[in-house]
Amino acid sequence: QLQLQESGPGLVKPSETLSLTCTVSGGSISVLNHRWAWIRQAPGREPEWIGSVSDTGNTYLDPSLKSRVTLSVDTTENQFSLRLTSVTAADTAIYYCARRTYRGGYAFFFDYWGLGALVTVSS
Amino acid sequence: IQLTQSPSFLSASVGDRVTITCRASQGIGSYLAWYQQKPGTAPKVLIYAASTLQSGVPSRFSGSGSATEFTLTISSLQPEDFAVYYCQQINLYPYTFGQGTKLDIK
Repeated sequence: QLQLQESGPGLVKPSETLSLTCTVSGGSISVLNHRWAWIRQAPGREPEWIGSVSDTGNTYLDPSLKSRVTLSVDTTENQFSLRLTSVTAADTAIYYCARRTYRGGYAFFFDYWGLGALVTVSS
Repeated sequence: IQLTQSPSFLSASVGDRVTITCRASQGIGSYLAWYQQKPGTAPKVLIYAASTLQSGVPSRFSGSGSATEFTLTISSLQPEDFAVYYCQQINLYPYTFGQGTKLDIK
């Protein structure tokens, strides 16, 4: 059974950089037709897709966050990571890592999610 | 692409049939998924490709629609179905979610 687990600081100061890592277990991160995503959810709000990364390092980012976001993948460690610079209180949210799978035709969806990591931006 | 769900809140009873609508600001074919989220947990996929039931999801859940209008139907509500439901488009980047429909017990 595939499992994803987010790790990183739960408290980040304003203007600093948020860094999270997602460790994938129970399967390889280097599988065709999958991409690895970061999705966040502010309190009481809908989820917000931040971006996705392929096992070869190709990235796809939300334009509204693109200037502050870096995604990377480490296939040897079966991990992928998020860096978000210049954070503000508006970046306070639960951050999820997730797998986007593709089963042909219109069948794209997020089938495995981590438990989520609450990150609070505060001094 | 903006997704608008209706209603935002829905009160219903066990055994009821309920329908949630998701409208897209432009055509997205059938690149739409539905998720259920319970408090303190990650969203869970119910339906993908607009109408395909994810493995392990009860058959009382069904999806339909294409282009700009989609529906999620629960044929007979069970106690464990009271949750928040989101639609998501995976046609174009950036992927977007609807604002959610909170389904409460009447």
